[in-house]
Amino acid sequence: AQSVTQLDSQVPVFEEAPVELRCNYSSSVSVYLFWYVQYPNQGLQLLLKYLSGSTLVKGINGFEAEFNKSQTSFHLRKPSVHISDTAEYFCAVSRPSGGKLIFGQGTELSVKP
Amino acid sequence: SQTIHQWPATLVQPVGSPLSLECTVEGTSNPNLYWYRQAAGRGLQLLFYSVGIGQISSEVPQNLSASRPQDRQFILSSKKLLLSDSGFYLCAWSVKSSYEQYFGPGTRLTVT
Repeated sequence: AQSVTQLDSQVPVFEEAPVELRCNYSSSVSVYLFWYVQYPNQGLQLLLKYLSGSTLVKGINGFEAEFNKSQTSFHLRKPSVHISDTAEYFCAVSRPSGGKLIFGQGTELSVKP
Repeated sequence: SQTIHQWPATLVQPVGSPLSLECTVEGTSNPNLYWYRQAAGRGLQLLFYSVGIGQISSEVPQNLSASRPQDRQFILSSKKLLLSDSGFYLCAWSVKSSYEQYFGPGTRLTVT
């Protein structure tokens, strides 16, 4: 069975600073990987996904993530954050054979001026 | 374009009362549909998913049930709510050939 661990429950950072949100997964088979963002009291929006190919994936709002198979990680990065990036971020995994997503517990990113 | 609706947006219900949350999708046909619950600080938990009308799979045993009476309608129900049913309920859909899920705006349920 797959599982996802987001290593930080909260990440405070100052505006214009770089940020990395960490995600590790466990699976005995190939997986697809996703990052979603949730703004307060809203649904989830897909930031980016890794299905195959290049291990560096670029998403919306200037975010990118790198798939590292040997370390079973899919960390999310942004070189310079804005106040508007304050939200909760979820890493998720699914098997290629099935569409069910397994989510991590979420990381609350708080960007301070 | 496709859109997903959920209602109500917020709901306050007493313990022991029934529940019905509705989700509808527009602009697509024969989608996979999903119900998730998000409790504070506990991530998203998949409750039910459906690959077609009348086809429901339950992921977690509980006092909730789901139904799909029409192709693009997904309903989450309970006969008697518990305090532990409080949370943020999210509906999502996906195209069968895709692994991306698209989420609705959610329903905030408070059981008192």
